Amino acid sequence: AQSVSQHNHHVILSEAASLELGCNYSYGGTVNLFWYVQYPGQHLQLLLKYFSGDPLVKGIKGFEAEFIKSKFSFNLRKPSVQWSDTAEYFCAVKTSYDKVIFGPGTSLSVIP
Amino acid sequence: EAGVVQSPRYKIIEKKQPVAFWCNPISGHNTLYWYRQNLGQGPELLIRYENEEAVDDSQLPKDRFSAERLKGVDSTLKIQPAELGDSAVYLCASSRTGSTEAFFGQGTRLTVV
Repeated sequence: AQSVSQHNHHVILSEAASLELGCNYSYGGTVNLFWYVQYPGQHLQLLLKYFSGDPLVKGIKGFEAEFIKSKFSFNLRKPSVQWSDTAEYFCAVKTSYDKVIFGPGTSLSVIP
Repeated sequence: EAGVVQSPRYKIIEKKQPVAFWCNPISGHNTLYWYRQNLGQGPELLIRYENEEAVDDSQLPKDRFSAERLKGVDSTLKIQPAELGDSAVYLCASSRTGSTEAFFGQGTRLTVV
């Protein structure tokens, strides 16, 4: 069965630290990949997405993610986090059957 | 543009009672999704509509859950009867047909006591 795993359940960083959140998926076919963010009290919002082409995609608020097909990974990165990045981050995969599968989420806490 | 609107935001009911959630998608979005998000987990798809047709309801527990989207616009998700394990956040999302980006509502937090 298709699944998405995220490496960390909870990450705590100080402001200006670099961030990398891991995401791996299990599906052998063509995929679209997403990172969503949910700020406290708000709805899920799309951070960035990968369809095809350049495996390094840039999203909003300085986030980027790299698709490594051989590793079935789509890790999220940001060189310098801010307190306002405190949120829940979800990796998601859309399969060729139009099914979107979400990972369990990583809670990021940024300490001022 | 207005986002996906869900109501109510919160609902507390006793077990065995019925409950219904309502979703109004973004205007022009033909695809509508209902997800359930348990505490500490990612959203899980319950049902996906293309206009008024349910094209994927494989994860919907059909013994107690039902959904409708009669006019291909807004949608209702119902649970009857509710069980303690149904406590979760129920999310609605919509997208344009063929688009890969879905827009989410704020969800309805259901607590079954």
